[in-house]
Amino acid sequence: QVQLQQWGTGLLKPSETLSLTCGAYGGSLSGFFWTWIRQSPGGGLDWIGEINYSGRTIYNPSLKSRLSISVDTSKNQFSLRLTSVTAADTAEYYCARKRKSMSGLYYYFYMDVWGKGTAVTVSS
Amino acid sequence: SSELTQDPAVSVALGQTVTITCQGDGLRTYYAGWYQKKPGQAPLLVIYGRNNRPSGIPDRFSGSTSGNTASLTITGAQTEDEAAYFCNSPDSSGDHLFFGGGTSVTVL
Repeated sequence: QVQLQQWGTGLLKPSETLSLTCGAYGGSLSGFFWTWIRQSPGGGLDWIGEINYSGRTIYNPSLKSRLSISVDTSKNQFSLRLTSVTAADTAEYYCARKRKSMSGLYYYFYMDVWGKGTAVTVSS
Repeated sequence: SSELTQDPAVSVALGQTVTITCQGDGLRTYYAGWYQKKPGQAPLLVIYGRNNRPSGIPDRFSGSTSGNTASLTITGAQTEDEAAYFCNSPDSSGDHLFFGGGTSVTVL
């Protein structure tokens, strides 16, 4: 069973760049989408964006201008880069594996493997 | 609209049944995923697809869909089920994912 281990900068000042990396251990990146999700303090879950093995990315439109997600297949890792952070970016950030399947006329997507999370605080 | 709407909170007596709902237009095309979120822990997938449970999830968790509403039912709620539950589904394009606002479940 694949496990995700994530790491990166936890304390940032406004306008700095957030960088997080997630490594997949015990499984390949191939065949899945690899996502980033965050939860702000006291808030809900927000989808940030995702990437597949080939490097195809999909971003949350609200973050697209500041966001970059990349994949390093040689290291079995994928990374998030968010520029010009503000206090609004303070959150717990999670990486996760997204799967897609179909049943009857319905498609469905689900995140079945998650990293433990990285607490990110943006403060001057 | 791709918005997913959940009731903010619900309570259930120990051993009783509780149903959490999630409403959104996208649910007419896509099954929801359901995640359990406890403080200090990563989200845990509890239901996906039509009504599938990942390995290790107790069979007291079940899911269903009708029209634009997905439901998560806990039959015989236990104290360890006290958590926030989030539904998840994409928009009509299938590209962008959305989460409901979450339902906090209290087991009395």
